[in-house]
Amino acid sequence: TQLLEQSPQFLSIQEGENLTVYCNSSSVFSSLQWYRQEPGEGPVLLVTVVTGGEVKKLKRLTFQFGDARKDSSLHITAAQPGDTGLYLCAYRGQNFVFGPGTRLSVLP
Amino acid sequence: NAGVTQTPKFRVLKTGQSMTLLCAQDMNHEYMYWYRQDPGMGLRLIHYSVGEGTTAKGEVPDGYNVSRLKKQNFLLGLESAAPSQTSVYFCASKGQSTGELFFGEGSRLTVL
Repeated sequence: TQLLEQSPQFLSIQEGENLTVYCNSSSVFSSLQWYRQEPGEGPVLLVTVVTGGEVKKLKRLTFQFGDARKDSSLHITAAQPGDTGLYLCAYRGQNFVFGPGTRLSVLP
Repeated sequence: NAGVTQTPKFRVLKTGQSMTLLCAQDMNHEYMYWYRQDPGMGLRLIHYSVGEGTTAKGEVPDGYNVSRLKKQNFLLGLESAAPSQTSVYFCASKGQSTGELFFGEGSRLTVL
């Protein structure tokens, strides 16, 4: 099983700040996914990145897939309280495997 | 749209008791999954199914059984609950030609 690491584990910031969270592995992936999980709910897919070096934007969220397809980052610009949640990266091998997540808290 | 529905949402058991979690999806998805989520450990796959009548073991299957008698339902059973099975359980489904997992809202289980 390929291991996914995420950093930081916890992040607490003020509204309006920018942040970046990371998903890393020593293995190469054909694709990576990012999910967001809000308190009391199940994860919801944000994006799938497939090509090395790919950048995808979803409003204030920017996702990047590393050139070597071993890592990915999620950058949030001008964070808002609604961005609070657990951010999970995942890859689809035989089944979906998830990283431990970054728990983000955006304070008003 | 209902999507993926899990019942019950909360349950407290005593050690040794049995129970079944029900997952129902209305999207005609082939693939269904049961995960458990524990602090700092992300989502770990317990069992999964690639179609009606099929089941397979995931990463942490011990102490759990599953059944997929109907395409829309995936049941997770605990025959003799243990405190180590205290967790939040998530069901998910996926269509055959898509790469997106759709999750239920979770079932919080406490074993005393």
